[in-house]
Amino acid sequence: DTGVSQDPRHKITKRGQNVTFRCDPISEHNRLYWYRQTLGQGPEFLTYFQNEAQLEKSRLLSDRFSAERPKGSFSTLEIQRTEQGDSAMYLCASSLPRYTEAFFGQGTRLTVV
Amino acid sequence: TQLLEQSPQFLSIQEGENLTVYCNSSSVFSSLQWYRQEPGEGPVLLVTVVTGGEVKKLKRLTFQFGDARKDSSLHITAAQPGDTGLYLCAGKTSYDKVIFGPGTSLSVIP
Repeated sequence: DTGVSQDPRHKITKRGQNVTFRCDPISEHNRLYWYRQTLGQGPEFLTYFQNEAQLEKSRLLSDRFSAERPKGSFSTLEIQRTEQGDSAMYLCASSLPRYTEAFFGQGTRLTVV
Repeated sequence: TQLLEQSPQFLSIQEGENLTVYCNSSSVFSSLQWYRQEPGEGPVLLVTVVTGGEVKKLKRLTFQFGDARKDSSLHITAAQPGDTGLYLCAGKTSYDKVIFGPGTSLSVIP
């Protein structure tokens, strides 16, 4: 296992379109996190899962955003009716709950035009 | 709501200088992590500190966790251009949620 994998690395979409990102965590990591990051800022928490259960969703996240982890392995993050303000880097991380570290993927860079 | 603050926000220094960046919170964290991030890439874990007062060294980097587990510092000795990047601190809450500070953007000029 080479680490957390995210796909695609880059996505350009027109405003109003839907997009979906995928994250494959490190094997055996049952915690999975999604973050959004804009240029020069720290990652902003969006949501996280333990296995297939979504434990928390940020109140900053509008109803256009939804995340799933149906079998407790990979996760998807969908953004419906994208807006220009959704342009950002979307990061996924995974961890084991008894450990303290979260390991990140390389992110998906979304540009809404 | 648990928040992390970092200072300074930006730092530009000459190669060979020493520097310290800070991470502060009014809340107690079970652990703090430091990450380094380069443009267009995900954050890469540098270190985790767990015990109050703990000091960890990673080559030219020294990390310290405050006694009360509310703050941390990162000291870099003899900075090199390869140290350039965004340094992020992150805290793990009691519910295992990991939250980040806004970061310190470091530029080391040759």
